[in-house]
Amino acid sequence: DTGVSQDPRHKITKRGQNVTFRCDPISEHNRLYWYRQTLGQGPEFLTYFQNEAQLEKSRLLSDRFSAERPKGSFSTLEIQRTEQGDSAMYLCASSALNGGVGYTFGSGTRLTVV
Amino acid sequence: QKEVEQNSGPLSVPEGAIASLNCTYSDRVSQSFFWYRQYSGKSPELIMSIYSNGDKEDGRFTAQLNKASQYVSLLIRDSQPSDSATYLCAVPGGSYIPTFGRGTSLIVHP
Repeated sequence: DTGVSQDPRHKITKRGQNVTFRCDPISEHNRLYWYRQTLGQGPEFLTYFQNEAQLEKSRLLSDRFSAERPKGSFSTLEIQRTEQGDSAMYLCASSALNGGVGYTFGSGTRLTVV
Repeated sequence: QKEVEQNSGPLSVPEGAIASLNCTYSDRVSQSFFWYRQYSGKSPELIMSIYSNGDKEDGRFTAQLNKASQYVSLLIRDSQPSDSATYLCAVPGGSYIPTFGRGTSLIVHP
């Protein structure tokens, strides 16, 4: 499988718990992006990595959110002390350096905070 | 603030008709433009890309770009019920980070 993989597909957690999501990009892609999507909205940018460096973070990414991409391969997105407002689909995408041929998305992780 | 605007719809067309989806963007430095299709509960799937002014055709899909007007559109010919989905316009800015519109919901009825 040469696509973008995300794990888990679904996560239900209680408010206040920490959750971590994983993304494995297409191996030859330098860039990895995290987006969040809520019902009726387009994907909203959270952060991106170029190789192992996290180059930009959206103001949507509060201090409860942290992302890593050790060794420039897979990435993790952690949400600490989850809130009901964090319930959303978390999407990972990868691309070549300039995104020239497009951005490939994984299947997403659906987070529900109860 | 980079903005990408789409009419949320829904756009309802009969089977076999042409569906026309529109998108405007604010970032004048953008050089590439993408259309994604998203079925309910699924992730976005890339269906078209366009880089130059004019039209680009791929099967039943035609993307149209007018950089002067900061306008990109997607035409779907011979619409099928399986085309019913949300169509997202994505516009990367100078740092190649795509900004997405909210999407237009398309319903193709038999």
